[in-house]
Amino acid sequence: DTEVTQTPKHLVMGMTNKKSLKCEQHMGHRAMYWYKQKAKKPPELMFVYSYEKLSINESVPSRFSPECPNSSLLNLHLHALQPEDSALYLCASSQDQTSGRTDTQYFGPGTRLTVL
Amino acid sequence: GENVEQHPSTLSVQEGDSAVIKCTYSDSASNYFPWYKQELGKRPQLIIDIRSNVGEKKDQRIAVTLNKTAKHFSLHITETQPEDSAVYFCAASIIQGAQKLVFGQGTRLTINP
Repeated sequence: DTEVTQTPKHLVMGMTNKKSLKCEQHMGHRAMYWYKQKAKKPPELMFVYSYEKLSINESVPSRFSPECPNSSLLNLHLHALQPEDSALYLCASSQDQTSGRTDTQYFGPGTRLTVL
Repeated sequence: GENVEQHPSTLSVQEGDSAVIKCTYSDSASNYFPWYKQELGKRPQLIIDIRSNVGEKKDQRIAVTLNKTAKHFSLHITETQPEDSAVYFCAASIIQGAQKLVFGQGTRLTINP
């Protein structure tokens, strides 16, 4: 399996809802990432996990809560979001963060999130 | 921190002609430079990458060049086809606690038949 998968593809939620985004990879990668992408903009890094431990949090508001239950899974828990959080949320994975060289990041198809 | 500038923001070329997109980076410690292609509504897909110990890399119609001294790298697409129409992002790697990519703002490439 050479793909990163994400569910759901689309999500509409109200500002009081709690929802979760899911990302999965079976490439044996040990680094996983969450990005946010607004229309006509590049992906913007949110979180990096390395060997299931959070290694980077790019000052993301606490209404976004990441979780890495195991080396293949990455979740993003959403609570009390704002309309400006509407965006495409991309997950990515790469082989390793500790090898001393930067490994290629492979992106999932994303979850299109709309906050009403 | 690292800053990546990408030009042009939009590029329109005739089918069969060549397209060139340029990026500059600020952190001389960056050592990995991927290029991603993103079609409308799709995921970014890696099309080619280059590491700092190499000056040029080619894959069929796509090539990337890197000038470490000037801190710039370029994407070259030859014999363009309509399916090359997409947004292209360059990126540079940095280490800030962990390795991460800093992306350019993107180039919307349109191939006119």
